[in-house]
Amino acid sequence: QQKVQQSPESLIVPEGGMASLNCTSSDRNVDYFWWYRQHSGKSPKMLMSIFSNGEKEEGRFTVHLNKASLHTSLHIRDSQPSDSALYLCAASRNSNNRIFFGDGTQLVVKP
Amino acid sequence: GALVYQYPRRTICKSGTSMRMECQAVGFQATSVAWYRQSPQKTFELIALSTVNSAIKYEQNFTQEKFPISHPNLSFSSMTVLNAYLEDRGLYLCGARTGTSAETLYFGSGTRLTVL
Repeated sequence: QQKVQQSPESLIVPEGGMASLNCTSSDRNVDYFWWYRQHSGKSPKMLMSIFSNGEKEEGRFTVHLNKASLHTSLHIRDSQPSDSALYLCAASRNSNNRIFFGDGTQLVVKP
Repeated sequence: GALVYQYPRRTICKSGTSMRMECQAVGFQATSVAWYRQSPQKTFELIALSTVNSAIKYEQNFTQEKFPISHPNLSFSSMTVLNAYLEDRGLYLCGARTGTSAETLYFGSGTRLTVL
């Protein structure tokens, strides 16, 4: 399977702090990246997508993409306890429908 | 909105027996359905991708003989885990989308498989 590597495996941030999560694909032909969030006992839900180089912001969440380095990052500012979850990065090529996921970063936001 | 119902939510089976799980897409056409397994150690693996009117593509380490999949129409897919053993434990997730490469994948609630 194509590899999607995420780091760190786990992250603890204080409430109100900034959480930064990283993801790199091993597939040089990857075209699309997504970030999903999975709360404990629930299924993953898409948080943000990014397909072009640069930055995309939605509320407290910002994603960056550098296609040359096959790297994307997710930044959560003013982190809240409700942001505590497993964050999954996913990547796919335009040429096929297979989406590969990383194993996730477990984020804990401490009140 | 787009919803994916998956059932059962959890199942327990004896070692060597089989179990089937089903996914129902509501509100959109599930042209593509991907089945994943999230292990107790949290590894997230793609088992196979099913596209209506195309052959089902299994990933390395997963076979049709072990995980037969049916995808007969644009709203339904099922997968069976045959001869389940301890290493098959985990959360099985179906993800469905309309089929174009940039589309979001919508997940069902997952089927948690415990093998005794």
